[in-house]
Amino acid sequence: EVQLVESGGGLVQPGGSLRLSCAASGFAFSSYWMYWVRQAPGKGLVWVSHINSDGRSTTYADSVKGRFTVSRDNAQNTLYLQMNSLRAEDTAFYYCAASFAHWGQGALVTVSS
Amino acid sequence: DVVMTQSPLSLPVTLGQPASISCRSSQSLVHSDGNTYLSWLQQRPGQSPRRLIYQVSNRDSGVPDRFSGSGSGTDFTLKISWVEAEDVGVYYCMQGTHSPPWTFGQGTKVEIK
Repeated sequence: EVQLVESGGGLVQPGGSLRLSCAASGFAFSSYWMYWVRQAPGKGLVWVSHINSDGRSTTYADSVKGRFTVSRDNAQNTLYLQMNSLRAEDTAFYYCAASFAHWGQGALVTVSS
Repeated sequence: DVVMTQSPLSLPVTLGQPASISCRSSQSLVHSDGNTYLSWLQQRPGQSPRRLIYQVSNRDSGVPDRFSGSGSGTDFTLKISWVEAEDVGVYYCMQGTHSPPWTFGQGTKVEIK
């Protein structure tokens, strides 16, 4: 069974940092491009970041460029999103997705003082 | 960036009746490789997104055959041949042809009359 399990969400103050993890199982993780997509409460889906299968190529939405860093550990079947200089507008559920075919359950990030 | 525009944004339907959602892109989604990277996602209440259709008309594994996708160029349609109670949720179209960024439609909320 394909599983993607996000962790690391929580409440953080503006300007703070969080690292999300996405543990993958049940499929050939190292062969998949991986994505982070976020969804503010009650809003639509917004692409945040992508990383290719070997981790050498990454891209970011303009809204997070320079603040977020995506990485992966194919030996551990895990995807990461390091989020720095967090803002109130970063408050959202963050989903990891494998080629958009498989999605995790989401991790809630709340940025508030 | 490619803008994806869905209509309608709200779709009340009667159980057992058909339903149709339109998605238009601001530019052609035909990739230089000849494929069209247009997908449809379903998000049931309180759940993470799930891909139903990829490359316009290909159903993902486990997706009921009452769901079908069609279209070309800039105009695409998701059809539900007959709506069941489990189909309630928000449906998104998404393009990957002109990426990054990967962009989503605003979402169409399907509810039972």
